[in-house]
This record gives sequence, structure tokens and C-alpha cells, in this order.
Amino acid sequence: SQQGEEDPQALSIQEGENATMNCSYKTSINNLQWYRQNSGRGLVHLILIRSNEREKHSGRLRVTLDTSKKSSSLLITASRAADTASYFCATEAAGNKLTFGGGTRVLVKP
Amino acid sequence: AAGVIQSPRHLIKEKRETATLKCYPIPRHDTVYWYQQGPGQDPQFLISFYEKMQSDKGSIPDRFSAQQFSDYHSELNMSSLELGDSALYFCASTRLALSYNEQFFGPGTRLTVL
Repeated sequence: SQQGEEDPQALSIQEGENATMNCSYKTSINNLQWYRQNSGRGLVHLILIRSNEREKHSGRLRVTLDTSKKSSSLLITASRAADTASYFCATEAAGNKLTFGGGTRVLVKP
Repeated sequence: AAGVIQSPRHLIKEKRETATLKCYPIPRHDTVYWYQQGPGQDPQFLISFYEKMQSDKGSIPDRFSAQQFSDYHSELNMSSLELGDSALYFCASTRLALSYNEQFFGPGTRLTVL
């Protein structure tokens, strides 16, 4: 079964609106990371939240982590057309490898 | 700042051929990871190396092998290529001495098997 699963699978919003996506995982983790990927291109690291952290901010990004529910959320505030991309959560457990979720495709309409 | 370099960026091969993908990690990074991302799928971990030794293994077919060299660059060798091997192959690097593991990804190699 997949370690990280994302919800929703796709999201369409207007520029200026906020976008929220969620990620659930199954096992204990060291940290959880969010990545962005433009169509068929490389993965860009957005933010890392450690297992002992509950919330983290970076610019227009806000990430929460609830280890009791094994879930995380990524909020993008005041979205821009350039935020159009797929967003993946990835968990790091023992062994340091990342296990990625299914991704949320975000479309920001101008 | 230097990033992870992957070469080639694009590769087209026929079935049953071999392919070699190269990854040059960020300077002073001691760990390299390989991931495979099929069309419309999420990246899947293949294999990793720490200080030139294999440190973990994921869903990597037996037809694939990899190694990390003394200069820390890594190569992924793929033999008897199949159509299903068509994917984006990412390399990521990190320095495990840090207190957390932020992996920096390269731009990927897009492999197309015809």
C-alpha cells in the first residue's frame, strides 16, 4: 500500500485564492517534505517539516503535520498562475529514502 | 549554487538495449538516491548509496544496477530495456551529516524505450 496518499487528486482555483491539499501516510516518519513538479519536469523541494514540528511557514506556504492522525496539509495562499503544478508529499522514515504520495494537480486560472 | 546534474537529459533506446544514466551530486553531498517516475505516477525509490556503498534498495529490477564512484557521482545501468522502463529517472543527493534529510533533486533523465 502507498505510504503517502494525497487529497484531492486535482484542484482548480482562481488566481488569488488559497489552495489546500492534504497528505496521509501510514508508518512512523522522521520528517515529511513537500515538492512541486511542473509538467514532466524536475522536483522542486518546497518545505520540510520534522516529526516533532506541528506547523511551518515559508513565504506563501504553510504546512501542518499531525503525527497522531498521520496527516499533513499544504496551504498555498494568494495563489498565482505560476503555482500551477503537481504537488507531492514525501515521507522520510528509517533508511532516509523518500516515499512519495500520489500528487495533487493544481491549476491556477488567471 | 551548484545543483544536482544528470546526464543525459533525454535518451531514446530500443527494446533489449542498455542505457547508462549519470548523476553528479551537489559538492560535499555524500548520499545519492535514484527514483523512477512513470507517466502520471509518483516517483518510486530505486536505490541509494552512502559513501560509495549501497545503503538501501527499493523496487529496482534485477536488470538494473547502480554504483557510486570515488568522486561521489553515481551511474544507473539498465540492461535488456523494456517498454515499461520508459520513465523519468531522478537522482537526488543529500549530506547525511545534517540533522535532517533534505534531498535535492536533479532535473531528471527522460528515458523512452521504443
